Amino acid sequence: DAGVIQSPRHEVTEMGQEVTLRCKPISGHDYLFWYRQTMMRGLELLIYFNNNVPIDDSGMPEDRFSAKMPNASFSTLKIQPSEPRDSAVYFCASSPGHINIQYFGAGTRLSVL
Amino acid sequence: SQQGEEDPQALSIQEGENATMNCSYKTSINNLQWYRQNSGRGLVHLILIRSNEREKHSGRLRVTLDTSKKSSSLLITASRAADTASYFCATDAGEYGNKLVFGAGTILRVKS
Repeated sequence: DAGVIQSPRHEVTEMGQEVTLRCKPISGHDYLFWYRQTMMRGLELLIYFNNNVPIDDSGMPEDRFSAKMPNASFSTLKIQPSEPRDSAVYFCASSPGHINIQYFGAGTRLSVL
Repeated sequence: SQQGEEDPQALSIQEGENATMNCSYKTSINNLQWYRQNSGRGLVHLILIRSNEREKHSGRLRVTLDTSKKSSSLLITASRAADTASYFCATDAGEYGNKLVFGAGTILRVKS
């Protein structure tokens, strides 16, 4: 398996623009997680899904953030409108149902100017 | 909120020396995991220790768990320059699903 695949790897956008981050989890994994990593706040869990259903979105910072998982092989994290404080590295991770080891993608580095 | 807190925040050693990192947590757990993150990359799982285990080995890695003190340590023996990375502990806190809570990490630098 190719592992968790995230796209794009880098995104530079201007304040107010819509940003969409994409993730393809490892086939057969039941859980998908979205994290945000910054120097100031470390690694924060934003939202996670189980079998495509959102389970806990308490980490989503504001209504500007939304996440979807339309099927088992694809998820998106959308920020609309984006702000400079959203600049961070966003990671997607997936996990099989029988054990809670998480497999991370390479991340998307987002810069909002 | 962070469940695990690593100590020290940063560690610099010479190649060949051992590196020890510590993690403390607050609530009961089912297991504790350690992950490594190389610069610019995603986290990679290293080792998992269950709450009923006290010590576990994997190659040059040795993990201990003391549930009475709510603490764990990660020992990397005979360190190499390639071990330079950030190391995170993560706990599940017995919550529903496969959710983990990660600590702030220890930055390890191994000088050659």
